[in-house]
Amino acid sequence: DSGVTQTPKHLITATGQRVTLRCSPRSGDLSVYWYQQSLDQGLQFLIQYYNGEERAKGNILERFSAQQFPDLHSELNLSSLELGDSALYFCASSVGAGQTPQETQYFGPGTRLLVL
Amino acid sequence: GIQVEQSPPDLILQEGANSTLRCNFSDSVNNLQWFHQNPWGQLINLFYIPSGTKQNGRLSATTVATERYSLLYISSSQTTDSGVYFCAVRAADGGSYIPTFGRGTSLIVHP
Repeated sequence: DSGVTQTPKHLITATGQRVTLRCSPRSGDLSVYWYQQSLDQGLQFLIQYYNGEERAKGNILERFSAQQFPDLHSELNLSSLELGDSALYFCASSVGAGQTPQETQYFGPGTRLLVL
Repeated sequence: GIQVEQSPPDLILQEGANSTLRCNFSDSVNNLQWFHQNPWGQLINLFYIPSGTKQNGRLSATTVATERYSLLYISSSQTTDSGVYFCAVRAADGGSYIPTFGRGTSLIVHP
């Protein structure tokens, strides 16, 4: 158990809908990272928050947004869902902002999203 | 950005066999991690190893930073070792500190 929690574990929804994925980092970690893992794309970095502020942005679609709350949990919002958004969405956390070389990321169990 | 290549892409073993998984990277790194994604999808940290050698039970890893590769050794494999093994690196050039993941090696261990 990494200490990172994600809910829900599974989500089935229809095209055009909006969903919210939730992540709580390990105790003491200030950074949260979101990744998307689909069969043909591997693990793709979406976005990072550090202590409530957006820190780095990857290949995140405009239909997706995220935020980190004062208690450090984070939510990833996916809207106008398409079939191609079906994937495993991971959250990871780390102690700092990520700039220290030896900083490691710990991953949550993921949320499996299926868009029908 | 930095390129990460893992080999082989797929590996099928009989229980008890040994294996070596390789991760090549295109630039100097200051952070390298190995992960195991089990059949239920969970990503588990195995090693943080930007250089040198580490061992944890039947698993060990070696990174030769000057030659830009890392190896993960699995000895006396068990069915529970099945899954996908990823390496993730961070370039040392001070640019992006977001890890870049390889495409992984998919391992199946048969009883």
